[in-house]
Amino acid sequence: ETGVTQSPTHLIKTRGQQVTLRCSSQSGHNTVSWYQQALGQGPQFIFQYYREEENGRGNFPPRFSGLQFPNYSSELNVNALELDDSALYLCASSLGASGGTGELFFGEGSRLTVL
Amino acid sequence: SQQGEEDPQALSIQEGENATMNCSYKTSINNLQWYRQNSGRGLVHLILIRSNEREKHSGRLRVTLDTSKKSSSLLITASRAADTASYFCATDAVGSYIPTFGRGTSLIVHP
Repeated sequence: ETGVTQSPTHLIKTRGQQVTLRCSSQSGHNTVSWYQQALGQGPQFIFQYYREEENGRGNFPPRFSGLQFPNYSSELNVNALELDDSALYLCASSLGASGGTGELFFGEGSRLTVL
Repeated sequence: SQQGEEDPQALSIQEGENATMNCSYKTSINNLQWYRQNSGRGLVHLILIRSNEREKHSGRLRVTLDTSKKSSSLLITASRAADTASYFCATDAVGSYIPTFGRGTSLIVHP
């Protein structure tokens, strides 16, 4: 158990809809990273939040957006869903964007299916 | 884009045998990590090796790092059926502290 919780665990949406995924980080961690993992692939970095500010972004379009709250929990929002957005969305917390050990603590993920 | 690439993509062995997985990467790194993922679950951190280290051990795990070849290997000794999982290497390039993952090696250990 990492102490990182994600919700919901599974959800089904249709093309064009919007979705919000939530993540509670491990106690004491101030950094949250979001990854998208398609079936049979490795996790792809979406973005990272450090102390409520976006600290880095991968190659994802602007319809992928996020927030980090003062308690360091985080949300991932995806607008105008496409079929290719179907994936496991992983949240990972860590201590410090450029400090700490660099080790990521992952939640169990949110499985999104877009029909 | 993938910074690290694991090899082989799939590995099937018998319980008790050793399993070796390799990771190659493209640019200079701060450190390299190995993670494990059981089917459809979250990733679990196994071991981190810094760019100035050459070898690290943790229980049945041994990790080596060759920065001149930009490669790392993960050795699991005396494998068990419970080691069946996907294994990923993650690197953070110099100037970035964001781990980037490869496509993983799928390990099956037959009892």
